[in-house]
Amino acid sequence: QLQLQESGPGLVKPSETLSLTCTVSGDSVSITSYYWGWIRQPPGKGLEWIGSIYYSGSNYYNPSLKSRVTISVDTSKNQFSLKLSSVIAADTAVYYCVGGRGGDQNWGQGTLVTVSS
Amino acid sequence: QSALTQPASVSGSPGQSITISCTGTSSDVGSYNLVSWYQQHPGKAPKLMIYEGIKRPSGVSNRFSGSKSGNTASLTISGLQAEDEADYYCCSYAGSNIVWVFGGGTKVTVL
Repeated sequence: QLQLQESGPGLVKPSETLSLTCTVSGDSVSITSYYWGWIRQPPGKGLEWIGSIYYSGSNYYNPSLKSRVTISVDTSKNQFSLKLSSVIAADTAVYYCVGGRGGDQNWGQGTLVTVSS
Repeated sequence: QSALTQPASVSGSPGQSITISCTGTSSDVGSYNLVSWYQQHPGKAPKLMIYEGIKRPSGVSNRFSGSKSGNTASLTISGLQAEDEADYYCCSYAGSNIVWVFGGGTKVTVL
């Protein structure tokens, strides 16, 4: 069964770049039928889709974040990553990595990232 | 403001059925059979309960069912149980420019 685990700094300063990694176990990130993505949830609020990537190389980003987001895959480490630049306090959230195919979807446990000086 | 509109809360007694609505537009819910529903317990990651509008992932109880009429999708929970108390989110594909949008979430309370 696919398992995902987020890792990265829990505190980022305003204007800096938030960088998170999702390590995948149980299968390969290079399987063409899989999708990989990131979703976030500000404290006490709802879910927001950030973006997704397919091994085919296609990336899709939330238009409201597109200018600041990059999602990429590292097949050598069986990981995929999120970079969000020029962060502000409103980017404080629990960040989840998600992956799978169709109804076989798996989530990481989530990691809280706080933007503060 | 969320792209999809859900009621803030829905409640029911054990054994009853409840329905959560998710209203979008002709650009998202109305155009694609790609609505998914998530259950989230406090402090936990969301769990996929329904995908492609009506399909249940393996392991999800058949007490959960999805449907759609026009621009509104719905999640019905039948035989309500205490463990169903959670937040529920709908999500829809919205085309290649926007891609995926979520509802604001509905808190389900089992009385």
